[in-house]
Amino acid sequence: QVQLQESGPGLAKPSQTLSLTCTVSGASISSGNYYWSWIRQPPGKGLEWIGYIYYSGSTYYNPSLKSRAAISVDTSKNQFSLNLRSVTAADTAVYYCARGPVTTGFSWFDPWGQGTLVTVSS
Amino acid sequence: DIVMTQSPDSLAVSLGERATINCKSSQSVLSSSNIKSYLAWYQQKPGQPPKVLIYWASTRESGVPDRFSGSGSGTDFTLTISSLQAEDVAVYYCQQYYSTPYTFGQGTKVEIK
Repeated sequence: QVQLQESGPGLAKPSQTLSLTCTVSGASISSGNYYWSWIRQPPGKGLEWIGYIYYSGSTYYNPSLKSRAAISVDTSKNQFSLNLRSVTAADTAVYYCARGPVTTGFSWFDPWGQGTLVTVSS
Repeated sequence: DIVMTQSPDSLAVSLGERATINCKSSQSVLSSSNIKSYLAWYQQKPGQPPKVLIYWASTRESGVPDRFSGSGSGTDFTLTISSLQAEDVAVYYCQQYYSTPYTFGQGTKVEIK
C-alpha cells in the first residue's frame, strides 16, 4: 500500500522560502512509473496543482507560481521536496503531496498524503 | 489553462435521494486518439485529503460504492450519487488531466437535508 507523508515547518515568514518534504513508503520513486506532485489548498478554498517531478529530476511547474516553486528528489531516501520562495499570505494553505500522473502525463492523483498546513505570517 | 466550473456550489439532499453534480470544462478534454475524456472526480471529507472516486469520466475506482457514477464527454460531465448516505457528506471536485497545468473545479459541498 503506497503512502505519502508531508513534513516541514508549519510557519513561514513573508518573503522567505517555504520548504516541505514528502516521504513515500510502499513504492519506490525510482520505479519510474509515475511522476510525483505537490498540490495545495488554501483554507476553505479549492485545489491548485503546483508541479511534479520524475525520479530523474525532470520537473514541470504550474506557470501560476511565476517560477517561485522548485521541486527536487532524493531517491536514496525515497523523498521529494518543495521549495516555494518569496512567500506571501496568499501562500497560506494545506500542502499535499500525491502520486501522479503516470509517466504518460495523463492521469489522476492517487494516493495523497494527509497534508500539512503552512501559515505565512510574521 | 483549462477552467473547470462546477455547479451547484452546494446542495442539500435527503438521505436516500439522488445527488447530481455538474462539471464543465472551458475546452474539450476528450482525446481523439483513444476516445477517452481526461476527467476525474474526487471526494474530500473534512480534515482529509481528496480521494479519487472516478477517472476517465466514468470508471469507478476500486472499492468505491456503486451508488457513485460518472458520465459525460467532451466538456460536460456529471457525478451522480444515486442514493445519498450519511457518509457521503463531503466536498466533491472534478479535475482535468488532459493538459498541464492540471486544474480542478471549485468544489461542490454536499449536505444532508
